[in-house]
Amino acid sequence: HVQLQESGPGLVKPSETLSLTCTVSGDSISNYYWSWIRQSPGKGLEWLGYIHYSGTINYNPSLKSRVTISLDTSKNQFSLRLSSVTVADTAIYYCAGDKMTGVWYYYWGQGALVTVSS
Amino acid sequence: EIVLTQSPGTLPLSPGERATLSCRASQSVSSNYLAWYQQKPGQAPRLLIYAASNRAAGIPGKFSGSGSGTDFTLTISRLEPEDFAVYYCQYYGGSLTFGGGTKVEIK
Repeated sequence: HVQLQESGPGLVKPSETLSLTCTVSGDSISNYYWSWIRQSPGKGLEWLGYIHYSGTINYNPSLKSRVTISLDTSKNQFSLRLSSVTVADTAIYYCAGDKMTGVWYYYWGQGALVTVSS
Repeated sequence: EIVLTQSPGTLPLSPGERATLSCRASQSVSSNYLAWYQQKPGQAPRLLIYAASNRAAGIPGKFSGSGSGTDFTLTISRLEPEDFAVYYCQYYGGSLTFGGGTKVEIK
């Protein structure tokens, strides 16, 4: 079955770029919608954006100027870059996937805590 | 932008009781794009219901979803110890948004 695993630095300095990668196992990264979703400590869930192997990309309008999501089919991975981070970007970052529509997500990674601090 | 408001914020119940969770949208939405998730401490969310009333793969029948327009409901027929968690509704209308969550806690 499909498994997702986030990886990347757990500590990022303010104003720098946060970079995370999600490695997919158990199926090809093609034909799925892949999203990044975050959760600030003790808070709710916030969607950052999704990508589909066809090239379709959709970002949260409130973060669009800072977010980039990309796909590497050769490695079966997809990635998140969030620029100009502040302490408000401290959160658990989840990668998630679904084969159907990108409207809801069945497969989730375990989450990666990223702390923004100098 | 659609805003999802979940109520109550906290729902204290005993095992065996029925849980009724509400999700209200700021304007009428398509039920085809409404989902519910369960999240336990230290875990990722788990998809329970999609398209308002369809159970996701592997989800037991005690979970059911209903609603249309602006009002949606997640019902857990008889609470078991593993059901005490936080529940989120989620809508996709060009952009994905989540409700603030309802915590079902042991009374």
